[in-house]
Amino acid sequence: DAGITQSPRHKVTETGTPVTLRCHQTENHRYMYWYRQDPGHGLRLIHYSYGVKDTDKGEVSDGYSVSRSKTEDFLLTLESATSSQTSVYFCAISERLAGSNTGELFFGEGSRLTVL
Amino acid sequence: AQSVTQLGSHVSVSEGALVLLRCNYSSSVPPYLFWYVQYPNQGLQLLLKYTSAATLVKGINGFEAEFKKSETSFHLTKPSAHMSDAAEYFCAVSERYGGSQGNLIFGKGTKLSVKP
Repeated sequence: DAGITQSPRHKVTETGTPVTLRCHQTENHRYMYWYRQDPGHGLRLIHYSYGVKDTDKGEVSDGYSVSRSKTEDFLLTLESATSSQTSVYFCAISERLAGSNTGELFFGEGSRLTVL
Repeated sequence: AQSVTQLGSHVSVSEGALVLLRCNYSSSVPPYLFWYVQYPNQGLQLLLKYTSAATLVKGINGFEAEFKKSETSFHLTKPSAHMSDAAEYFCAVSERYGGSQGNLIFGKGTKLSVKP
């Protein structure tokens, strides 16, 4: 199994509070992703990173920010959580091989966030 | 923009019966295509992927999928369902070119139930 650890695995918080989810990898992969999973929507990309301090927005980035100060850590921050951000958040990593963009995604176990 | 449509949010089969999960994609150029499986309370794991080699792709656990360009389809099949196949299955597409190459776009998922 790929070495991906998400923390916390479960969190309940109140509307308006800041929340940070952490993804830690031991694979030294260059690419890291944050997805959210909601019933009826599948997985939707929030943000991704293609290197230290290199990040870009995904499909549903509003209300989220990310940071990557080290290869192994990718943080997802909700500055002011809302009930619509109640979801299961998945971190994924990928090592796109030289000359190829078909790198498999390896997923963490997920972080379940409830915003009351 | 690329997209993926999975026909049927729920599919139920009897143990030993054929499994057929449907996926159609929209893309201006032949994309890379993936099937992932998610067991309850777990992350996603790769079943198989199409990267423009053979159009019939074999994956883990006896699953296979066939890329049909004329039908823009990448349906997942397994000849004989097992109880352990009960899970949610996601089809995904990734761009070959451009700034977001390698980022996966997921379908909404199909939950497979297997009856004894």
